[in-house]
Amino acid sequence: RKEVEQDPGPFNVPEGATVAFNCTYSNSASQSFFWYRQDCRKEPKLLMSVYSSGNEDGRFTAQLNRASQYISLLIRDSKLSDSATYLCVVSSRGYSGSARQLTFGSGTQLTVLP
Amino acid sequence: DAGVTQSPTHLIKTRGQQVTLRCSPKSGHDTVSWYQQALGQGPQFIFQYYEEEERQRGNFPDRFSGHQFPNYSSELNVNALLLGDSALYLCASSGDSRTQYFGPGTRLLVL
Repeated sequence: RKEVEQDPGPFNVPEGATVAFNCTYSNSASQSFFWYRQDCRKEPKLLMSVYSSGNEDGRFTAQLNRASQYISLLIRDSKLSDSATYLCVVSSRGYSGSARQLTFGSGTQLTVLP
Repeated sequence: DAGVTQSPTHLIKTRGQQVTLRCSPKSGHDTVSWYQQALGQGPQFIFQYYEEEERQRGNFPDRFSGHQFPNYSSELNVNALLLGDSALYLCASSGDSRTQYFGPGTRLLVL
């Protein structure tokens, strides 16, 4: 079983639609959670961190359920520019003083259609 | 402020050869992590360097090795290349905030 599992999609939605991505993780010691966005043939870029209380950044809302080991991302009012692969990422504590090792899901591909 | 840079951008090698990839971290960052991303997959953690030492390592064989220099730049070396080593190799740097910023990657094709 993969440490981080995502629905690979693809998700094809019209402009203005609301779309939700889900992710589950298996390591209960995971401490930090993120959504990264990756455009075709580009590097991943941090979209947002995910907190237990849930957090929102404009049209994007992320939720975390530690008990179920489940993470979600909601995109409202989809734009053409939202077309990308969305990567669910978890990390556990690294050695003291270091950045944590990131564990990525395989990504969910989103295409927003005009 | 330059971001993370990597060289070369593309590379073609044959099986059995050795390759060296290079990474310069974002200004002010002292930690470099390397990831391998196969087609259609998410990046997989290879290892991380801090204070010129390998601090964490993922599930990769010893053919994968690295180095960090006093200026925090880093190299990834892969020996005895296999066809399965064909991938996008990503470098990520981080500083006090521990947020990792990725470079554009090096695309390696092994024939």
